[in-house]
Amino acid sequence: DTGVSQDPRHKITKRGQNVTFRCDPISEHNRLYWYRQTLGQGPEFLTYFQNEAQLEKSRLLSDRFSAERPKGSFSTLEIQRTEQGDSAMYLCASTHTSRVYYGYTFGSGTRLTVV
Amino acid sequence: AQKVTQAQTEISVVEKEDVTLDCVYETRDTTYYLFWYKQPPSGELVFLIRRNSFDEQNEISGRYSWNFQKSTSSFNFTITASQVVDSAVYFCALTQPQGGSEKLVFGKGMKLTVNP
Repeated sequence: DTGVSQDPRHKITKRGQNVTFRCDPISEHNRLYWYRQTLGQGPEFLTYFQNEAQLEKSRLLSDRFSAERPKGSFSTLEIQRTEQGDSAMYLCASTHTSRVYYGYTFGSGTRLTVV
Repeated sequence: AQKVTQAQTEISVVEKEDVTLDCVYETRDTTYYLFWYKQPPSGELVFLIRRNSFDEQNEISGRYSWNFQKSTSSFNFTITASQVVDSAVYFCALTQPQGGSEKLVFGKGMKLTVNP
């Protein structure tokens, strides 16, 4: 069990550029969540997958955001035409459906800075 | 609607002091789960404790203790004899069975600084 891995840890991009983040969950976990955390705030839910199916998206997830989880393994979160307001920590978490009420395992996050 | 309020934003204490972090929650459901997470400077959220709405028994784990009171919708966290390593941001969170995402709703967090 190597935990939840996120890559990259930090990303600085110019406004208008596209960025993609990757999350590798714990292998036996079928649920994967993406959260966004801005400075001084708690994490906010963006979307989640059960296996390869994306089952819920928050209204925070504008049409510039897209997430995938091919084959129910790793997941990617892409932001197109980045804006300064996208600057935040993007956290990935995983769990198994049978243990969803026992808390998730979070990754260390990807910190995005849009300049 | 679910809501978690952590009224304190930042606390600074001297090592060995006791400190209590407050958490007040709102939910219309009778079944729900409460959590505390710790976020050290490295960024990952570390699970500390989970409590379901039917279990009001307080819990102690080493220097940590939790006081769950449904009557006041509070789930407070006390660190006894604080240490420098306790310095972090602490989040209270809530989820409830929805037959869906069971997403966590977090408070804004409380930054604890323990000075030597």
